[in-house]
Amino acid sequence: DAKTTQPPSMDCAEGRAANLPCNHSTISGNEYVYWYRQIHSQGPQYIIHGLKNNETNEMASLIITEDRKSSTLILPHATLRDTAVYYCIVRVVDNAGNMLTFGGGTRLMVKP
Amino acid sequence: DTGVSQDPRHKITKRGQNVTFRCDPISEHNRLYWYRQTLGQGPEFLTYFQNEAQLEKSRLLSDRFSAERPKGSFSTLEIQRTEQGDSAMYLCASRPGTSADTQYFGPGTRLTVL
Repeated sequence: DAKTTQPPSMDCAEGRAANLPCNHSTISGNEYVYWYRQIHSQGPQYIIHGLKNNETNEMASLIITEDRKSSTLILPHATLRDTAVYYCIVRVVDNAGNMLTFGGGTRLMVKP
Repeated sequence: DTGVSQDPRHKITKRGQNVTFRCDPISEHNRLYWYRQTLGQGPEFLTYFQNEAQLEKSRLLSDRFSAERPKGSFSTLEIQRTEQGDSAMYLCASRPGTSADTQYFGPGTRLTVL
């Protein structure tokens, strides 16, 4: 699976949009971009994933650049409960194991 | 609650003791994963089951570690002769069998080896 690069930490004001970048310049055509987050002392929580097109769900939006070499996770109105470590993961989706390879992630601190 | 559950949530043991953790996946998820997470790091893959078959093991899974999923439902992870370096959060995840499905994680078992 392709390697990802994320900033180690970011701050965001409560109520503002949080934009978390991820670089995956070696991504292959059959690799998806997944985002998980991990709130302190809990297991990782799935947020969203996409292949080429931008995606949106009730939690967040995922913007993938046209060349697919980078993406941005957007939390439109960050709350204090969004404080967590956010992981960007790139992986092939097939019938093999599909185990996830986590990097260091971005520690997002939402401040009042 | 229909999510992934793990038991116990916390375990403190002395070096050299054996410990066993249990994971109950989401019902009808035939794929089950174990990960380990040390402080300040992202989770690392340990092993993976499809139904009762253990299909892949990481090099992190030393001979002291064994995992089972006897009936294709719950799974256990046993660590024999624990060492201080085994102190970590042990996470279990499950997913359905189709390729595009994501993994859902349990709350983890935090192991402290004294």
